[in-house]
Amino acid sequence: EVQLVESGGDLVQPGGSLRLSCAASGFTFSNSWMSWVRQAPGKGLEWVAFIKPDGSAKDYVDSVKGRFTISRDNAKASMYLQMNSLRAEDTAIYYCATSQGGVWGKGTTVTVSS
Amino acid sequence: DVVMTQSPLSLPVTLGQPASISCRSSQSLVLSDGNTYLNWFQQRPGQSPRRLIYKVSNRDSGVPDRFSGSGSGSDFTLKISRVEAEDVGVYYCMQGTHSFTFGQGTKLEIK
Repeated sequence: EVQLVESGGDLVQPGGSLRLSCAASGFTFSNSWMSWVRQAPGKGLEWVAFIKPDGSAKDYVDSVKGRFTISRDNAKASMYLQMNSLRAEDTAIYYCATSQGGVWGKGTTVTVSS
Repeated sequence: DVVMTQSPLSLPVTLGQPASISCRSSQSLVLSDGNTYLNWFQQRPGQSPRRLIYKVSNRDSGVPDRFSGSGSGSDFTLKISRVEAEDVGVYYCMQGTHSFTFGQGTKLEIK
């Protein structure tokens, strides 16, 4: 079964850090472009970051540049999102997905609040 | 950055009637490889998004044939030939040619 499972979401104070993980199974992860997409409460989908299969290229939405870092470990079929200097506006469900959106996880919730 | 503009943002439809959603990009979505990376997603309440259409007009596996996608360049359309109750949700277009960007979403409801 093709599957993506996110983990690591939590309640964190403004200025804090969090690391999200995404575990893939059922498809060739090492050949797949991967993305993080988020959805703030009651809002639409926002693409956050992508990473090429070999990790040689990455890109981020402007609002997270310099604060978030996407990475992957193909040997573990896993992708990560290191989030630093978190702000209230980063509060959202964070989804892991293949970059053209063919496969999605169920999401993990990040809440930034004091 | 590419901006994706959907219309309408709210779409009340009678069961059994057709529905259409427009998506326009601020620049052409044709990539140098000749492909146009414009995808459509459905998000039902409380669920993760699900891709319906990829590269403008290709239906994903398991997607009913009442869903169809069309368009070219920077102008695209998702059509539902006969709306059913299970189609209620929010529909998003997404471009994957110049990095990635989603449209604002169109909320489909039953009249």
